[in-house]
Amino acid sequence: DIQMTQFPPTLSGSVGDRVTITCRASQSVDSWLAWYQQKPGKAPKLLIFKASSLEYGVPSRFSGSGFGTDFTLTISSLQPDDFATYFCHQYHTYPQTFGQGTKVDI
Amino acid sequence: QLQLVESGGGVVPPGGSLRLSCAASGFTFSNFAMHWVRQVPGRGLVWLSLIWHDGSNKYQADAVKGRFTISRDNSKNTLYLDMNNLRAEDTAVYYCARAFPPPGYHYYYMDVWGRGTTVTVSS
Repeated sequence: DIQMTQFPPTLSGSVGDRVTITCRASQSVDSWLAWYQQKPGKAPKLLIFKASSLEYGVPSRFSGSGFGTDFTLTISSLQPDDFATYFCHQYHTYPQTFGQGTKVDI
Repeated sequence: QLQLVESGGGVVPPGGSLRLSCAASGFTFSNFAMHWVRQVPGRGLVWLSLIWHDGSNKYQADAVKGRFTISRDNSKNTLYLDMNNLRAEDTAVYYCARAFPPPGYHYYYMDVWGRGTTVTVSS
């Protein structure tokens, strides 16, 4: 199975901060990587697919980059609504796998 | 609007069985593959299974192979997960999710999620 390692596990930020979350795959997933946001008690929400493509309706302050094994999710200016947990997800190989999550809090 | 609604969760003793359902609306269900994903509260997401739009192909995680079965009824716009020989470690919130893009591609992420249904395995 492809292992997805996310870091940091927790990230403390303030409104307006630029934050970056990293996800590393144990083997190449090309660009077949997605990012999701999850708030407590809610289902995950798709933010980014194919490593850098922004899902329709997602604010442009979110961006993704990377290819192969190393990926990043960047929030250019943290907003109050962005405090949540973020997961990366590889869909290159079955079984599909997720990172452990990064909690972004104040 | 696009909607997925899971049902069928509950409390079941170890070794028991349960069938989860996922009712789809707002899109042409038969045009999309579908996923099941679970999450222990406070923990990460775990992919379980995917079924192609027409049911002709399925993929499963090793942890549930032989115990869980994914299926669908396109005439009812419903996805299922049959779970047998349940264990305490199967306790989680179970989500169904639409696989995107439509058929013709090999790489399917999740673009629409249900709210989840809770399964508790306990005596």
